[in-house]
Amino acid sequence: DAGVTQSPTHLIKTRGQQVTLRCSPKSGHDTVSWYQQALGQGPQFIFQYYEEEERQRGNFPDRFSGHQFPNYSSELNVNALLLGDSALYLCASSLGVTNEKLFFGSGTQLSVL
Amino acid sequence: GENVEQHPSTLSVQEGDSAVIKCTYSDSASNYFPWYKQELGKGPQLIIDIRSNVGEKKDQRIAVTLNKTAKHFSLHITETQPEDSAVYFCASGRGTDKLIFGTGTRLQVFP
Repeated sequence: DAGVTQSPTHLIKTRGQQVTLRCSPKSGHDTVSWYQQALGQGPQFIFQYYEEEERQRGNFPDRFSGHQFPNYSSELNVNALLLGDSALYLCASSLGVTNEKLFFGSGTQLSVL
Repeated sequence: GENVEQHPSTLSVQEGDSAVIKCTYSDSASNYFPWYKQELGKGPQLIIDIRSNVGEKKDQRIAVTLNKTAKHFSLHITETQPEDSAVYFCASGRGTDKLIFGTGTRLQVFP
């Protein structure tokens, strides 16, 4: 049973560029949440997708957008990258819109130069 | 705004000793309190969770206690082992709302 898979594992971009991160949820899960984890900090909620719609959103600017596909996989897009966007981006999946029993992937380490 | 404070930021113990990590939350409506363990290069992994209608929960060497009045909750690890070394995060949530995470505790267990 595959867990949550994220790609790529590492990414280097320059300021102003755009990036797309991908996530496949754990088998049987239908909800995907995205978190940003800065170095030495706890994860911060970006948004959650269920039934291909954004259900909740944290305190992140519109430069952060997402999408969920019919197979429940998801993408996180960040436009006009800033140096401060450098972080580990984590995807978590669950069954239904919930904050319980989240399964996290290993994340995508994004470096903005 | 909603906030979760976590202490200590680092904790070193000898193998076999106990470790305690404490968190305080600000949102009195929070009703779900999970603990996650994050090893180097990996995502957080749920190790134990508790709901607000329960004061204590235990799973083998790990236990969590909740004091709703004081808005405190704690993780207790007994008989620590080197493989318990990792960063531990507490979190709180209300209903189906997003989780608010603490800043983490780096636990080192020395053989």
